[in-house]
Amino acid sequence: EVQLVESGGGLVQPGGSLRLSCAASGFPFSIYTMNWVRQAPGKGLEWLSYISSGSTIIYYVDSVKGRFTISRDNAKNSLYLQMNSLRVEDTAVYYCAGGNYDSGNYYWGQGTLVTVSS
Amino acid sequence: EIVLTQSPGTLSLSPGERATLSCRASQSVSSSSLAWYQQKPGQAPRLLIYGASSRVTGIPDRFSGSGSGTDFTLTISRLEPGDFAVYYCQQYGSSPPWTFGQGTKVEIK
Repeated sequence: EVQLVESGGGLVQPGGSLRLSCAASGFPFSIYTMNWVRQAPGKGLEWLSYISSGSTIIYYVDSVKGRFTISRDNAKNSLYLQMNSLRVEDTAVYYCAGGNYDSGNYYWGQGTLVTVSS
Repeated sequence: EIVLTQSPGTLSLSPGERATLSCRASQSVSSSSLAWYQQKPGQAPRLLIYGASSRVTGIPDRFSGSGSGTDFTLTISRLEPGDFAVYYCQQYGSSPPWTFGQGTKVEIK
């Protein structure tokens, strides 16, 4: 069974930092590209960041460039998102998602809630 | 950046009726790299359609996708109670950002 399990969310003050993790199992994590996507309360989905299977290609949406860092450890089947300089508007459920769209094998975790508030 | 505009914002239909959801892109989506997702409250998005028209294994055949270029459609041929949800399109073409539409809510009339 494919599982992506996010962790590391919580309440943080503006300007603070959090590191999200995503543990993968049941699929060949090391060959798949991975992404982080977020959803603010009551809002739509926003793609944040992409990392290639070997970590050689990384992209970010403009709103998080310079503040968020995506990384992965294929030996541990894990994806990470280091979030610094957090803002109130970063409050959202953060999902890890990845796979291969061309084959329809694309998976999502259940999400972890990040709340940025004083 | 490719902007995806979904219409209508809300679709009020009865079980058994046909639902037609539109997703229009601000520029051509390369290689029909367009996906459709279903999301229910408190749940993660669920991939329904990829490549504009390919159905994910296990998705009922009442869900179908069509279109190319800038105009895409998700059709649900006969709505069942579990189909009432929010639907998003996403383009995953050659260059980021890989944007989502704002969503269409399919609600029970």
